[in-house]
Amino acid sequence: DSGVTQTPKHLITATGQRVTLRCSPRSGDLSVYWYQQSLDQGLQFLIQYYNGEERAKGNILERFSAQQFPDLHSELNLSSLELGDSALYFCASSVDLRPETQYFGPGTRLLVL
Amino acid sequence: AQKITQTQPGMFVQEKEAVTLDCTYDTSDQSYGLFWYKQPSSGEMIFLIYQGSYDEQNATEGRYSLNFQKARKSANLVISASQLGDSAMYFCAGPNTGNQFYFGTGTSLTVIP
Repeated sequence: DSGVTQTPKHLITATGQRVTLRCSPRSGDLSVYWYQQSLDQGLQFLIQYYNGEERAKGNILERFSAQQFPDLHSELNLSSLELGDSALYFCASSVDLRPETQYFGPGTRLLVL
Repeated sequence: AQKITQTQPGMFVQEKEAVTLDCTYDTSDQSYGLFWYKQPSSGEMIFLIYQGSYDEQNATEGRYSLNFQKARKSANLVISASQLGDSAMYFCAGPNTGNQFYFGTGTSLTVIP
């Protein structure tokens, strides 16, 4: 158990819908990262937050947004869902800005029908 | 542009033997980090080893070592004394000059008893 929690574990929804994925970092970690793993695109970095502020942005679509709250948990919002958004979404956390110390959560498996 | 290349989709190794998983990267930066992760069939991402571009020695973590050849831009993972539990997908990631992350397509390792 990495100490990073993600909810829900599985999510099934329909095209055009909007979902929110939640991540609670390890106690004391200030950075949260989001990743997408799909069959088409492989494993991709989406975005990073540090202590509530966005610090790095990867291949995140405009239909996706994220935020980190004062209690340091983070949410990834996916809207206007398409079939291709079906993927495993990972959250990771690290104590500072250095990703070499990051720990991954178990992931949320999203299926868009 | 692709940043990380893993050319071995699948590898087999006999139990107790050593195996090398290849990774090459593309960057013009001088300071960067390279990572290896393991993803078992259960889906979680497990950090294995990290190499900084300025580290003088190759990184080692238990049975894992990183054969870092900066001039060739390669960062191969060496697993010694393979165990059945090593069967998994292995991802190389980097370069990381800020907090951006790029992952390779992964290598599926199967350890044969």
